[in-house]
Amino acid sequence: SQQGEEDPQALSIQEGENATMNCSYKTSINNLQWYRQNSGRGLVHLILIRSNEREKHSGRLRVTLDTSKKSSSLLITASRAADTASYFCATDGGPGSARQLTFGSGTQLTVLP
Amino acid sequence: GAGVSQSPSNKVTEKGKDVELRCDPISGHTALYWYRQSLGQGLEFLIYFQGNSAPDKSGLPSDRFSAERTGGSVSTLTIQRTQQEDSAVYLCASSFHGQPNEKLFFGSGTQLSVL
Repeated sequence: SQQGEEDPQALSIQEGENATMNCSYKTSINNLQWYRQNSGRGLVHLILIRSNEREKHSGRLRVTLDTSKKSSSLLITASRAADTASYFCATDGGPGSARQLTFGSGTQLTVLP
Repeated sequence: GAGVSQSPSNKVTEKGKDVELRCDPISGHTALYWYRQSLGQGLEFLIYFQGNSAPDKSGLPSDRFSAERTGGSVSTLTIQRTQQEDSAVYLCASSFHGQPNEKLFFGSGTQLSVL
């Protein structure tokens, strides 16, 4: 089963609006990462947040992490049509685990011009 | 190389045939990963290499699937006696050391269609 599950599965917004995507996971983690995928091909790393961090920013991206709720959110501010893509969270297996990154099923974001 | 390179980008085959998918990771990256993505789905982990050895093969769905890595660089994923359910995008990724705090660099994938 997927370790990370994104919510919503699909999101459609107008250019300039903010987009928020959520990720829930089941086991402890060392880090949580967010990736972006255009057109169903290669993924591009966006941001990594460590388990001892609560919030992280990178440009128009803001990521939060709540380890007590085992959840994370990705906020894209002032969205652009070029932000249209699928967004995935990925989690490792936590301290002492050899499990490789597990990806959720993703949120398909559509930004309308 | 500049990025992770996968070939072919598209492969159409007949049910029952064998296929080989190739991945050329970023030079110097010791860790290499294979994932599979079915249409509209998330990524399914297949196998992980550290150098030439595969400490984690837990994701390979059946014994028809195998992978090898030679010279700590290029990897080949082989699917024998392909089935229609094998149709998917096969993604390869690499990272420097395979540590949990490292990001993965992905190739553009191979779209496999089994008719």
